[in-house]
Amino acid sequence: SQTIHQWPATLVQPVGSPLSLECTVEGTSNPNLYWYRQAAGRGLQLLFYSVGIGQISSEVPQNLSASRPQDRQFILSSKKLLLSDSGFYLCAWSEDRPYEQYFGPGTRLTVT
Amino acid sequence: EDKVVQSPLSLVVHEGDTVTLNCSYEVTNFRSLLWYKQEKKAPTFLFMLTSSGIEKKSGRLSSILDKKELFSILNITATQTGDSAVYLCAVRGSGSRLTFGEGTQLTVNP
Repeated sequence: SQTIHQWPATLVQPVGSPLSLECTVEGTSNPNLYWYRQAAGRGLQLLFYSVGIGQISSEVPQNLSASRPQDRQFILSSKKLLLSDSGFYLCAWSEDRPYEQYFGPGTRLTVT
Repeated sequence: EDKVVQSPLSLVVHEGDTVTLNCSYEVTNFRSLLWYKQEKKAPTFLFMLTSSGIEKKSGRLSSILDKKELFSILNITATQTGDSAVYLCAVRGSGSRLTFGEGTQLTVNP
């Protein structure tokens, strides 16, 4: 069965510091991978998605970036965090069909 | 741009009540509508609907899609305190991206 991991679970970082969040999926090959941000426990905002190694699509221009160095690894990064980057970051995966997305446990980021 | 609107935004009921959550959408090249339940962590998948009029059911939860009127409902019968959560609706158009609504916060009081 497939499993998705995210770490760290919680993170407190000062403004201007770098960020690296990691997501890995087990039990599947060539998954579609997604990064979402959720503010105030409500709707999910899609940040990036990837349909293959090195293929990244950005949905929202901002100071975040994503990379997919391996088939089942997805990394969310920032060079300098802003206060507005605080939120709950979720990684998800899907297969090409039927496209149901399954979410990792999330990282709660607080920028101080 | 794809759009999903959920209502109500929040709902408080007593155990044993039946609730109906609404999701309306605008999407180019509709492919599917999905429901998720989110407690204080990651959303968990409930249903995926692709065809109008066919009810999906899992225990006390059921959902149906109306592609003509562009909406879906999620019903929960005989609610329990464990049903308290945010319920998220999402739609998929072309490709693999999902567009999510803001969610309905359901609180079930004993």
